[in-house]
Amino acid sequence: GQSLEQPSEVTAVEGAIVQINCTYQTSGFYGLSWYQQHDGGAPTFLSYNALDGLEETGRFSSFLSRSDSYGYLLLQELQMKDSASYFCASWPGAGSYQLTFGKGTKLSVIP
Amino acid sequence: NAGVTQTPKFQVLKTGQSMTLQCAQDMNHNSMYWYRQDPGMGLRLIYYSASEGTTDKGEVPNGYNVSRLNKREFSLRLESAAPSQTSVYFCASSEAPGQALGGYTFGSGTRLTVV
Repeated sequence: GQSLEQPSEVTAVEGAIVQINCTYQTSGFYGLSWYQQHDGGAPTFLSYNALDGLEETGRFSSFLSRSDSYGYLLLQELQMKDSASYFCASWPGAGSYQLTFGKGTKLSVIP
Repeated sequence: NAGVTQTPKFQVLKTGQSMTLQCAQDMNHNSMYWYRQDPGMGLRLIYYSASEGTTDKGEVPNGYNVSRLNKREFSLRLESAAPSQTSVYFCASSEAPGQALGGYTFGSGTRLTVV
């Protein structure tokens, strides 16, 4: 099976940087994704790491360390619109359709 | 706009009633999925369809059935609704399994209440 742990809530100030961590325990692991979900909305895909290291997409970056079974999402220059829930999700690999999600981290951006 | 369309957006059922949630995608994706989302529980996979003509159980399939009608459409049926099935249901699609090629595209969800 697969298990992913994330903090349930994080609060950060507008304009600052925030890091949302995700640790995983899986019987098979191929990569880690991140999704954003605003209240009442649908999850939207943000990023995917299959290899160790940092992937940057604008203000958002995602990091993976396979040796530590750990990843994080880094949000820079926080804006009020970044207030949302963020989910990490792991994939066991080729042949599997079982994308497993963490329980999500609710980010509140304050002025 | 291209994407995943779910109907209905809201539904209230009485215990024991049946209903079908509809999902259609226009991105020519091969794989489709049904997830449920409960407070504090994240998204849990109910059923998936790897490709047209195939369906398989996910993490929480009990009480549900699915049909992959064609490449575009994937429906979820509750035969006898129970209060424990009160949830938000999301349909998703992807070009490839897992997270390759841009991840999953989700519909806007169906908010189901069973009383």
